Amino acid sequence: NAGVTQTPKFQVLKTGQSMTLQCAQDMNHEYMSWYRQDPGMGLRLIHYSVGAGITDQGEVPNGYNVSRSTTEDFPLRLLSAAPSQTSVYFCASSYSMGVNEQYFGPGTRLTVT
Amino acid sequence: SQQGEEDPQALSIQEGENATMNCSYKTSINNLQWYRQNSGRGLVHLILIRSNEREKHSGRLRVTLDTSKKSSSLLITASRAADTASYFCATDATPSGTYKYIFGTGTRLKVLA
Repeated sequence: NAGVTQTPKFQVLKTGQSMTLQCAQDMNHEYMSWYRQDPGMGLRLIHYSVGAGITDQGEVPNGYNVSRSTTEDFPLRLLSAAPSQTSVYFCASSYSMGVNEQYFGPGTRLTVT
Repeated sequence: SQQGEEDPQALSIQEGENATMNCSYKTSINNLQWYRQNSGRGLVHLILIRSNEREKHSGRLRVTLDTSKKSSSLLITASRAADTASYFCATDATPSGTYKYIFGTGTRLKVLA
């Protein structure tokens, strides 16, 4: 199993550009989530999904969209990038929305200039 | 706002010593999890403790949970240089039926050889 994969590893955007961060898992997990990690802030939940076709907002959803058309994929879209979205983004998955450990991807380091 | 706050923010110890880090949270929880993050990498799950458990062990790790004080501690015994990492607690503080995991700000542990 590849586990949770994320692409790209690094990305530089100009203010106002849009892009999609890709996340995929091959463990047939129901629950997937996106976090951003900023220095001194820990991880903050952006959006999450409890199954294909079902998504919900986390702590910091503004400026981001998600969709879950398949069990495997959970892309995160930045609609109009802003310097405040410079961060490291992590995707995670777990077996179900119950009491389960989360498996994390390696992260995408995004810089918005 | 952060649900979990780790203490201390940074900890430096000698190899072979024990390392203790604490996590405090604000609202009732279903479970609490501890994760490790090596520099530049994704998070790795260490241990999960449910709200009706008081203590749990896994190898050199011991986790305690005191729901009356809304706090948890992670003890790493006989630390090794390879334990150098950041450690985060994560709680699901939402009403049953949704599982938004909220991470603390982390403790940076440095183990000196």
